[in-house]
Amino acid sequence: AIQMTQSPSSLSASVGDRVTITCRASQGIRSELGWYQQKPGKAPNLLIYAASSLQSGVPSRFSASGSGTDFTLTISSLQPEDFATYYCLQDYNYPRTFGQGTKVEI
Amino acid sequence: VQLVESGGGLVQPGGSLRLSCAASGFTFRSYWMIWVRQAPGKGLEWVANIKQDGSLKYYVDSVKGRFTISRDNAKNSLYLQMNSLRAEDTAVYYCVRDWSPSSGGNDFDAFDIWGQGTMVTVSS
Repeated sequence: AIQMTQSPSSLSASVGDRVTITCRASQGIRSELGWYQQKPGKAPNLLIYAASSLQSGVPSRFSASGSGTDFTLTISSLQPEDFATYYCLQDYNYPRTFGQGTKVEI
Repeated sequence: VQLVESGGGLVQPGGSLRLSCAASGFTFRSYWMIWVRQAPGKGLEWVANIKQDGSLKYYVDSVKGRFTISRDNAKNSLYLQMNSLRAEDTAVYYCVRDWSPSSGGNDFDAFDIWGQGTMVTVSS
């Protein structure tokens, strides 16, 4: 199975900060990667698919890039509602695999 | 548009449980469907998916031979039959819709609709 490694595992940031989360795949996955946000006690929410395509309804402060093995999710100006855990997910092959998550804290 | 899971609960190791997911507000038969789980305090784990017509199914290695995903398009329902349950299967199980957008000849996963989750606890 493809291993997805996120860094950092957690970070502390302030409202207005620019935040970048990285996700590295153990082998090339082209652009077949998504990003999800999860708040405590809630189901995850799709942010990005196909490595860089913003899901409808997701604020434009979220952006993502990458292909092959290295990917990034950027929040340009952190808002109070963005404090959550973020996961990457590869959909290049089966089984699909998530990264371990990155917790964004105040 | 919503997904509502049911069927979770407490079961002894080695036991069985069948999860159900009722879909509404969209054309269920047009989408791949997925089960994703999350153990308490842990990250997300993709468990299994099933094609629109049920002809293709894929599983994570840890559940192969024990879990079976199925669907009934006439009833707008997704199922997960879980047998030989282990303590490590304890988790919240989410029913998920895959929007499957296409670009440049490739189909991508895009898990756009999630249920609220149902808790499965495997313990004696």
